[in-house]
Parts: sequence; C-alpha cells; structure tokens
Amino acid sequence: DAGVIQSPRHEVTEMGQEVTLRCKPISGHDYLFWYRQTMMRGLELLIYFNNNVPIDDSGMPEDRFSAKMPNASFSTLKIQPSEPRDSAVYFCASSFVREGEAFFGQGTRLTVV
Amino acid sequence: GQNIDQPTEMTATEGAIVQINCTYQTSGFNGLFWYQQHAGEAPTFLSYNVLDGLEEKGRFSSFLSRSKGYSYLLLKELQMKDSASYLCAGYYGGATNKLIFGTGTLLAVQP
Repeated sequence: DAGVIQSPRHEVTEMGQEVTLRCKPISGHDYLFWYRQTMMRGLELLIYFNNNVPIDDSGMPEDRFSAKMPNASFSTLKIQPSEPRDSAVYFCASSFVREGEAFFGQGTRLTVV
Repeated sequence: GQNIDQPTEMTATEGAIVQINCTYQTSGFNGLFWYQQHAGEAPTFLSYNVLDGLEEKGRFSSFLSRSKGYSYLLLKELQMKDSASYLCAGYYGGATNKLIFGTGTLLAVQP
C-alpha cells in the first residue's frame, strides 16, 4: 500500500476562495481523521469518520469547514470561504481500529493570503 | 480538558541519552502514544503505552505511570537523524473518545 495519500501538497489561495483538500486512506482502515497543525496549537483533531460516517466533528472550527467521506477510499475537507487564519498544515490519517496506530499522510500546507 | 504538557525544546549531544517528559490529565485516560515528526514531514508512530512500566524498542523506550499522569520517551545513543519534534498524545475514551496531542518537543541533536 502506498500509505495515506493527500493532495495537493501545497495550496496558496486568496482570502474568500473555496479550498478543497483530498485524502485517500490506507485500504482496509476503518477510521479516517482530519487534523490541523499550527505552531501555536500543535496538532488538533478536526473530525473523524468510522466506516465513512462522521463520528465526531466537535473540532471543526466553524461552519466554514465541512468534511465528507463518500466512500471508503476518499475524503475531502472543504473550507469556504477561506481566511488567512486558516493557514496551517492539514493532515489526514487513517487507522485500523479507533485506538490504534494512526498513519498520517504527508499533509497539505495551506496558505491563505 | 485533557492538557498534554511537554517541554517545547531540548538539546542533546550525539551519542548521549535524552529523556522527553510528558504529563497529562488522568480522567478518562486510556493510553499514551509517542510520535516522531521530522520538519516538513508527517508524524510517524513510535510507541503506545497502556500499562504502567517501561517498554523498550531498540534505541527508543517509553515509560508510563498511570497514577501520576506521567510518561517519558527515552532516546539512547543519539544520532543526528533523531533531530525532530516528538509528540506526546493521550487517548481519552468515554465522552471524549479521541486522541489529544501535545504541542511537541523539538529535539536538536548536536555533534
């Protein structure tokens, strides 16, 4: 398996634009997590899915953020409209069990100007 | 909340031993993870402790004391490639049911 695959690796966008981040988890993993990492706050869990169903989205900062998982091999995190404070590295991770080793993708570095 | 506290930065010398400490709130705590993250890369799994005691895995060992809300990661025979950020993360069950990360300890290994 190629591991967790995220795209794009880097995204620069203007404030107010829509941003869509993509993730392909490891095949067979039932859990998918979206994290945001900043220097100030470290790694924060935004939302996680179990078997494609969103379980906990309490970490999603506000309504501008939304996430979907239409099937077991694909998830998106969308920010609309984007703001400069959304600039961060966004990681997707997947695991076989809830309390198990999480495998992280390489992340998407988002810069909103 | 489930505050995960660890030092921001540490410096050590190549070949030496370094211990990175982590404290966490014990209410609802299930287990503790350590991840390594090199600059610009993804975090990678190092260890997971559920029971008290020391678990050794090559040059890296991880310790947990559930009663004290305390863990440490011990790195022996330091190599330059060990320069990275080390993330402590507590898994909390119940109503929380999620992994809470600390902000990481940036370790610089010097020659």
